[in-house]
Amino acid sequence: NAGVTQTPKFQVLKTGQSMTLQCAQDMNHEYMSWYRQDPGMGLRLIHYSVGAGITDQGEVPNGYNVSRSTTEDFPLRLLSAAPSQTSVYFCASSYSMGLGTDTQYFGPGTRLTVL
Amino acid sequence: GNSVTQMEGPVTLSEEAFLTINCTYTATGYPSLFWYVQYPGEGLQLLLKATKADDKGSNKGFEATYRKETTSFHLEKGSVQVSDSAVYFCALGSTGANNLFFGTGTRLTVIP
Repeated sequence: NAGVTQTPKFQVLKTGQSMTLQCAQDMNHEYMSWYRQDPGMGLRLIHYSVGAGITDQGEVPNGYNVSRSTTEDFPLRLLSAAPSQTSVYFCASSYSMGLGTDTQYFGPGTRLTVL
Repeated sequence: GNSVTQMEGPVTLSEEAFLTINCTYTATGYPSLFWYVQYPGEGLQLLLKATKADDKGSNKGFEATYRKETTSFHLEKGSVQVSDSAVYFCALGSTGANNLFFGTGTRLTVIP
């Protein structure tokens, strides 16, 4: 199993550009999520999905869109990049018992810089 | 609401020293508590977890006990190694969902 994979590993954008961060998992996990990691702030939840066709907002959703058309994939779209979106982005997945006890499996991250 | 307060770093220790990283939480309901570790250049991986009060999570010589009375989940290791150098995150899992609330992370450097 590859686990959780993310592409690209690094990306530089100009303000106003759009792009999609890719995330895929091969563990048949129902739950997938996106976090951003900023210095001194830990990880903050952007969006999450409890299954194909179902998505919801996390703590910091503004400026990001998601969709979940398959169990395996959960892309994150930046609609119009801003310097404040410079961050490291992590995708995670887990089984979804809905009890808050499940182990999350994280991808290796995408480092995004917006100029 | 849910939140996690974690000891700020960085922490620098000599090999074989005792490690404690403090973590306290605020939560509604009965959360699960986690420690995740991030090695340089990698994503986070689960180190240990505890799902109810008085549970002790342990892995790779690390331990943490879920203390409801003090709302704490402090991470400890009796003898650290250079390979333990990483960033450690305390996290809370809310009841009824898989979303995690993270602390700010503590960078540990172990020197030979």
